[in-house]
Amino acid sequence: QSALTQPASVSGSPGQSITISCTGTNSDVGGYTYVSWYQQHPGKAPKLMTYEVSNRPSGVSNRFSGSKSGNTASLTISGLQTEDEADYYCSSYTSSSTQVFGTGTMVTVL
Amino acid sequence: QLQLQESGSGLVKPSQTLSLICTVSGGSMSTGGYSWTWIRQPPGKGLEWIGYISQRGSTYYNPSLKSRVTISADRSKNQFSLNLRFVTAADTAVYYCSLQSTVTTLTLWGRGTLVTVSS
Repeated sequence: QSALTQPASVSGSPGQSITISCTGTNSDVGGYTYVSWYQQHPGKAPKLMTYEVSNRPSGVSNRFSGSKSGNTASLTISGLQTEDEADYYCSSYTSSSTQVFGTGTMVTVL
Repeated sequence: QLQLQESGSGLVKPSQTLSLICTVSGGSMSTGGYSWTWIRQPPGKGLEWIGYISQRGSTYYNPSLKSRVTISADRSKNQFSLNLRFVTAADTAVYYCSLQSTVTTLTLWGRGTLVTVSS
């Protein structure tokens, strides 16, 4: 299975909004509502930020929002803060009953 | 609340078997209907899904690793394990165990353990 495609890096200034894309196929992102996003700070384990496209776990800021259109899912971070600087990974269910991650995006707060 | 902790050998020789255990504390593996997942991350690279074992004991693996990997669970010990056979340097990574609460939703993660494949 091929990794989902994400931009290598996205940057923004504090207070701005940024969007990270995650592109797959009809056999994964486009075929299911099972897309999740994870945040990973250096040396730490990933943390779930959104699941089933647009749901947020308890405790995750409402500045993080997920969406999907066709074969592309997106994570938007509004009101960018310095602590948002991290790597972000999308993940999707696949038609083979497996799971696949995206290539990862480094978010930089300028 | 539930916590996960990986344990096992940090150094494995090429062609041998990598074996890791994930211990679940703060609750029982048998409640909640959760699945139990392994993920790895080579140094400086992205996440790779290895596979999971469902509440019913069914297993699902990454096709690229399927011929070498086995995930099993010992619910009496509140543990699940990963065995990866015939390892090479390419299997050097931080290995994470995780709780999957719904389809592909990895709600809780262990801290990860670095496994190095080297002679």
